[in-house]
Amino acid sequence: AQSVSQHNHHVILSEAASLELGCNYSYGGTVNLFWYVQYPGQHLQLLLKYFSGDPLVKGIKGFEAEFIKSKFSFNLRKPSVQWSDTAEYFCAVIRSGGYNKLIFGAGTRLAVHP
Amino acid sequence: DAGVIQSPRHEVTEMGQEVTLRCKPISGHDYLFWYRQTMMRGLELLIYFNNNVPIDDSGMPEDRFSAKMPNASFSTLKIQPSEPRDSAVYFCASSLNPGTEPYGYTFGSGTRLTVV
Repeated sequence: AQSVSQHNHHVILSEAASLELGCNYSYGGTVNLFWYVQYPGQHLQLLLKYFSGDPLVKGIKGFEAEFIKSKFSFNLRKPSVQWSDTAEYFCAVIRSGGYNKLIFGAGTRLAVHP
Repeated sequence: DAGVIQSPRHEVTEMGQEVTLRCKPISGHDYLFWYRQTMMRGLELLIYFNNNVPIDDSGMPEDRFSAKMPNASFSTLKIQPSEPRDSAVYFCASSLNPGTEPYGYTFGSGTRLTVV
């Protein structure tokens, strides 16, 4: 079965530190990849997505992610985090070509200290 | 567009009572999804509809859960009877093209259900 693994469950950083959150998926076919963010008490918001083309994807709020097909990975990065980035981050995968189920990883809780 | 609208935002009910969660998708979106979020299990897809027809309900935990979509603008998720372990945040999402560009998968604000 298709699954999504996020290796870091909790991450604590100081402001201005660099961030990298890992995401791996298990499906071997063509996939579409997403990162969502959930601020405390709020709903999920799309940060960025990858469908095809340049494997380095830039999203909102300075986030980017790199798709490495050989590693089945789609890691999220930000060079300098801010306190306002404190949130939970979810990696998600959907099989392309008519499969409609968005499968989420377990999430990574990021706490940024001033 | 007002986005995906869920009601109520919060629901507290006693064990054994019936609970009905509501969702209004974005107009024109053909797909509607119900997710449940808990600390233990994360985000789980319960069921999804395409053109008001349930396509995949393999995530529905048990017979106490049921979902309907009587028309393109309304869906319900019902739990009868409710149990404390059903306590979670339930999200509804709608989409025009889940797996193809232009991608659209918009989540509602969720319903926080507490069963005591």
